Amino acid sequence: EPEVTQTPSHQVTQMGQEVILRCVPISNHLYFYWYRQILGQKVEFLVSFYNNEISEKSEIFDDQFSVERPDGSNFTLKIRSTKLEDSAMYFCASRRDKQGGQPQHFGDGTRLSIL
Amino acid sequence: AQSVTQLGSHVSVSEGALVLLRCNYSSSVPPYLFWYVQYPNQGLQLLLKYTTGATLVKGINGFEAEFKKSETSFHLTKPSAHMSDAAEYFCAVILSGGYNKLIFGAGTRLAVHP
Repeated sequence: EPEVTQTPSHQVTQMGQEVILRCVPISNHLYFYWYRQILGQKVEFLVSFYNNEISEKSEIFDDQFSVERPDGSNFTLKIRSTKLEDSAMYFCASRRDKQGGQPQHFGDGTRLSIL
Repeated sequence: AQSVTQLGSHVSVSEGALVLLRCNYSSSVPPYLFWYVQYPNQGLQLLLKYTTGATLVKGINGFEAEFKKSETSFHLTKPSAHMSDAAEYFCAVILSGGYNKLIFGAGTRLAVHP
């Protein structure tokens, strides 16, 4: 069964550095998402992406964050200048279309640790 | 605004016992409802979903959930727990239409003991 893949599985970065988290969504999916889960807290929506543009973003997704689909397969989340509070598990998800009830398929996540 | 409440952050059952994980939602329009499971060091795996139609939905690994509109609930059950069911379970909702972000509950960690 096709999967969403995320790399790396664990990223350790110094505060203030830029980080790029990578995702390869399922190939025929059209809608892409990033979520994050701070340790011990709930999974939170960050951003959705469709047709090469952001379709919705949360208040967490400030100017330090950006997303890109640089080619036909990758979907990236960039944090420009990381802060300690960016430490979290980041999940990528994709969805085939927006027909009612289509589930989102998740990757295994990238654990981001900011030192 | 939509929200999802999962009662009980930790649930512990004996192997072979009934599993009941509670989820209530608030939404001004009929939502789509999902349960996801997260095993240690893994991503979120879809267990089951409710969109329309039959209110009792069956999922993988013997789990099922019933949508009760009058109670705004979508509780997850399994008749007989197995050790391999130990994981974190998340209830989530989506509004119909739009770009369909998932709104998650806080999660319930299920422990199964012999």
